Amino acid sequence: QPVLTQSPSASASLGASVKLTCTLSSGHSTNAIAWHQQQPGRGPRFLMKLNSDGSHDKGDGIPDRFSGSSSGAERYLTISSLQSEDEADYYCQTWGTGFRVFGGGTKLTVL
Amino acid sequence: ELQLVESGGVLVHPGGSVTLSCAASGFTFRGHRMTWVRQAPGKGLEWVATIKQDGSVKDFVDSVKGRFTISRDNAKNSTYLQMNSLRVEDTAVYYCARDGSDDWYFDVWGRGTLVAVS
Repeated sequence: QPVLTQSPSASASLGASVKLTCTLSSGHSTNAIAWHQQQPGRGPRFLMKLNSDGSHDKGDGIPDRFSGSSSGAERYLTISSLQSEDEADYYCQTWGTGFRVFGGGTKLTVL
Repeated sequence: ELQLVESGGVLVHPGGSVTLSCAASGFTFRGHRMTWVRQAPGKGLEWVATIKQDGSVKDFVDSVKGRFTISRDNAKNSTYLQMNSLRVEDTAVYYCARDGSDDWYFDVWGRGTLVAVS
């Protein structure tokens, strides 16, 4: 089954943009993934499903500031016009028959 | 409003048992696979178990196979996680999640319930 690799941390300034990366392990570059956000002290929230061609379907109420893109085995989450409430942990997730798997998560700090 | 509400979290001794419940509302429960995900203190998310819409297929992460059971009652719009032979490393917040209609990502999450094994 695939392994998802995420950088442990990222930071960007208020109002700026940031691009988070999730890398699929070898042999799984066509997998779709999902992005989830977990704000401090809260349960996770689904952001979007992201396909290998870069098309994505966002969850209800997810602002336009959140977008996804893909290149090869890499899946990206871009957050523009960063707000303080975007400071959170971001997890990617993929799936297959008999399994679901998460990346280790990226802790985003908004400066 | 789409909602998942977990209950049953408790402090339990190693070797003990706990059953968690998840009550769903706001959607057609029988139309979705349902999943349990856990998060140990200060750690990331870990998938635990998933059950198919009719209960005929159940998948588990290797670390809980043979100890945990997942079930559902579509008449009660609820899913359950029975945890036996609990270990200290099972200590976590347990989240209930709904699988999407078109694929196996989690598109609705509950707020979680804490199971502490000590």
